[in-house]
Amino acid sequence: AQSVAQPEDQVNVAEGNPLTVKCTYSVSGNPYLFWYVQYPNRGLQFLLKYITGDNLVKGSYGFEAEFNKSQTSFHLKKPSALVSDSALYFCAVRSASGGSYIPTFGRGTSLIVHP
Amino acid sequence: ETGVTQSPTHLIKTRGQQVTLRCSSQSGHNTVSWYQQALGQGPQFIFQYYREEENGRGNFPPRFSGLQFPNYSSELNVNALELDDSALYLCASSEDRSNTEAFFGQGTRLTVV
Repeated sequence: AQSVAQPEDQVNVAEGNPLTVKCTYSVSGNPYLFWYVQYPNRGLQFLLKYITGDNLVKGSYGFEAEFNKSQTSFHLKKPSALVSDSALYFCAVRSASGGSYIPTFGRGTSLIVHP
Repeated sequence: ETGVTQSPTHLIKTRGQQVTLRCSSQSGHNTVSWYQQALGQGPQFIFQYYREEENGRGNFPPRFSGLQFPNYSSELNVNALELDDSALYLCASSEDRSNTEAFFGQGTRLTVV
């Protein structure tokens, strides 16, 4: 069975400082990994994905994530946080093989950026 | 905005009733997935439809059913509603069933009383 762990319910960071939102995963075979952001009373917005290739993936709004196969991690990062980045962030994984297209999401991490 | 629209945005139903939620996929997308997001949780995959056929199902009972129409819009039907069915129901569309980039609607907030 595949799973995602987001070990922090909440991350607090000052505006202008770098931010990291952690994600570790478990899946059979190679993973496809995703990050989404959710603003209050809204659906999820796609930020970035890792399918194959370069371990550092760049996405929307200045976010990036690094795939680390040995640590089974896919942490989300941004060099300089904005107050408008405050939202709920979800990591998701699915297997790249086996014909199953079912993703598993983590429980989410609330990012709060202080002015 | 993603171009994926869901209706209604909010709904209140009584335990035991049936509900139908609707989703219009983004233009050019032939795959629709449905998710249940309970309060404080991540989305849980219900099922996926690809070209009008169910293409994968999560751990949800048969009273959760769906349809996809020739224009690739979709419905989620839930029979015999239970209090625990109260959640945000999200629809996502993608270009193909590999689902490597999904675009979500704003969701339908269902409250069962």
